[in-house]
Amino acid sequence: EDKVVQSPLSLVVHEGDTVTLNCSYEVTNFRSLLWYKQEKKAPTFLFMLTSSGIEKKSGRLSSILDKKELFSILNITATQTGDSAIYLCAVEGYGGSQGNLIFGKGTKLSVKP
Amino acid sequence: DVKVTQSSRYLVKRTGEKVFLECVQDMDHENMFWYRQDPGLGLRLIYFSYDVKMKEKGDIPEGYSVSREKKERFSLILESASTNQTSMYLCASSTRRGTDTQYFGPGTRLTVL
Repeated sequence: EDKVVQSPLSLVVHEGDTVTLNCSYEVTNFRSLLWYKQEKKAPTFLFMLTSSGIEKKSGRLSSILDKKELFSILNITATQTGDSAIYLCAVEGYGGSQGNLIFGKGTKLSVKP
Repeated sequence: DVKVTQSSRYLVKRTGEKVFLECVQDMDHENMFWYRQDPGLGLRLIYFSYDVKMKEKGDIPEGYSVSREKKERFSLILESASTNQTSMYLCASSTRRGTDTQYFGPGTRLTVL
């Protein structure tokens, strides 16, 4: 059965800390892995990863994919209170499971002043 | 464990047809959401509902309508399907608290010919 597992489920840090969020997956015919930040209603897109070992970076956020070990990490450096949110990981399959998009349960990050 | 189910995994319809996508959640969640996901665009919110018979427009409601007659069921309706509505449609649900994670269904890949 295809699945996406995120860890930890919740995390509390202080401003300035660096955090690493984990996402492991098992999916038939992997196509891409996506990270989202959910604050209020619609999750906002952060990164899409398709190739192993290539880091994607946006400001203080970065992410990398390991297709051999089937996981991705999302790093946030110098955290700010505005980073408090639920971070969702989703994996898309194609071909035999075209259209398969599976979300993890999310990591709830709380950044304290 | 929360379960969100969608009526179809794959649908093929013709231009002008009326299309119904159904979503059911089993956790007594107040909030339900409909999104579409397109390559390069991430998740976009179509409509959401925070209670039975209540609905609010999201970012891209044009061409869609919704119905929530029962708490566990949220339907997305395409009154007259068009080719630009070919997409992956995702349903999600959450508790009323805005800080809680959204639980996603498996998605429906709709193709409009």
